Amino acid sequence: GQQVMQIPQYQHVQEGEDFTTYCNSSTTLSNIQWYKQRPGGHPVFLIQLVKSGEVKKQKRLTFQFGEAKKNSSLHITATQTTDVGTYFCAGCFEEGAQKLVFGQGTRLTINP
Amino acid sequence: GAVVSQHPSRVICKSGTSVKIECRSLDFQATTMFWYRQFPKQSLMLMATSNEGSKATYEQGVEKDKFLINHASLTLSTLTVTSAHPEDSSFYICSASFNYNSPLHFGNGTRLTVT
Repeated sequence: GQQVMQIPQYQHVQEGEDFTTYCNSSTTLSNIQWYKQRPGGHPVFLIQLVKSGEVKKQKRLTFQFGEAKKNSSLHITATQTTDVGTYFCAGCFEEGAQKLVFGQGTRLTINP
Repeated sequence: GAVVSQHPSRVICKSGTSVKIECRSLDFQATTMFWYRQFPKQSLMLMATSNEGSKATYEQGVEKDKFLINHASLTLSTLTVTSAHPEDSSFYICSASFNYNSPLHFGNGTRLTVT
């Protein structure tokens, strides 16, 4: 079936350190989206990547979509305590569809 | 502000009872809504796609008679957990988007506890 694998499952860093989470699909994606879920909250949309090799930045966050549109990464530079939460990638396998398959998520905790 | 409203946020019910969860799109029409289930510290698992005016599309392994979905209007979808059991205890989240090019907006979720 269609699956999106995400690693690592957990990541604990010291405040100020960088953080990266990776997603991989066995088949080509139409697009990939990233969401952040704070403890006790609901997922909040961060960004959508559509084009092969696309790179987008949001302040300290850098999102990449692989050339083959099968993998993606989220990199946070100089983490802050507000970055705590679980980051999910979600892949869309069909163009024009809204159905998303979520990765397992990476739970980020930060030591202040 | 919130674009998708979900109610109730928490519900505790006894085993054997049914629970209805509402998901509303605010200020936009959603022909399609999605229902997810999330166990503690796990990912979101798509349960079903709710289609306005037609039957919902259920993912493999999700019992359609157990999780009844009704999408009677362009702004409201409901999920009814019938004859709930303790193993149905979970976090249920709905989502919708303006159109297929737009990201999903999630409701605040419903934490269901079946005793």
